Amino acid sequence: EQQVQQSPASLVLQEAENAELQCSFSIFTNQVQWFYQRPGGRLVSLLYNPSGTKQSGRLTSTTVIKERRSSLHISSSQITDSGTYLCAMEPANTGKLTFGDGTVLTVKP
Amino acid sequence: GGIITQTPKFLIGQEGQKLTLKCQQNFNHDTMYWYRQDSGKGLRLIYYSITENDLQKGDLSEGYDASREKKSSFSLTVTSAQKNEMAVFLCASSILEVQNTLYFGAGTRLSVL
Repeated sequence: EQQVQQSPASLVLQEAENAELQCSFSIFTNQVQWFYQRPGGRLVSLLYNPSGTKQSGRLTSTTVIKERRSSLHISSSQITDSGTYLCAMEPANTGKLTFGDGTVLTVKP
Repeated sequence: GGIITQTPKFLIGQEGQKLTLKCQQNFNHDTMYWYRQDSGKGLRLIYYSITENDLQKGDLSEGYDASREKKSSFSLTVTSAQKNEMAVFLCASSILEVQNTLYFGAGTRLSVL
């Protein structure tokens, strides 16, 4: 069973629209992170959000541990936001950060 | 700032060949990871190491060996390359138990003829 499920698999938006990305976990975790990867680019960490709501610029993540889910909201999307967004979690104290398959976001002008 | 360097960037191998990928980090991080990324898929953990000379198997360790000879370097060996295999191998590092400091290398893209 895949431990991290992401939805949608792909999302196409017009510039300035908002995006909502979802992540759910098959087991409980207290370590949740969101990553971003531009096509052909390096994976970079966006937000570390083990619980509650965290904001960084136009990005807002909400993690509800007891419901085993996390979301990433991107407000006022820009063309440069296009790429793959990956959710990752660590089963408690294992050191094994496990990733979902990602959401491919395309923002059009 | 620090950096993670993976070599080579591109690797072309023959079926059955043993291939080695290298990773160096100058963050002085404790933990290092090797992930495999297939097209359209998330990352799958192959091996990780929490300190020098430590090795822990991930979910995809079969067919791979790894070596952490010193804190700054972590190498991965494909023991027998599979025909038509194509994937990107990503190295990462972090401070032990502080996952929000996870940094990735640019990757090694493997193609097997």
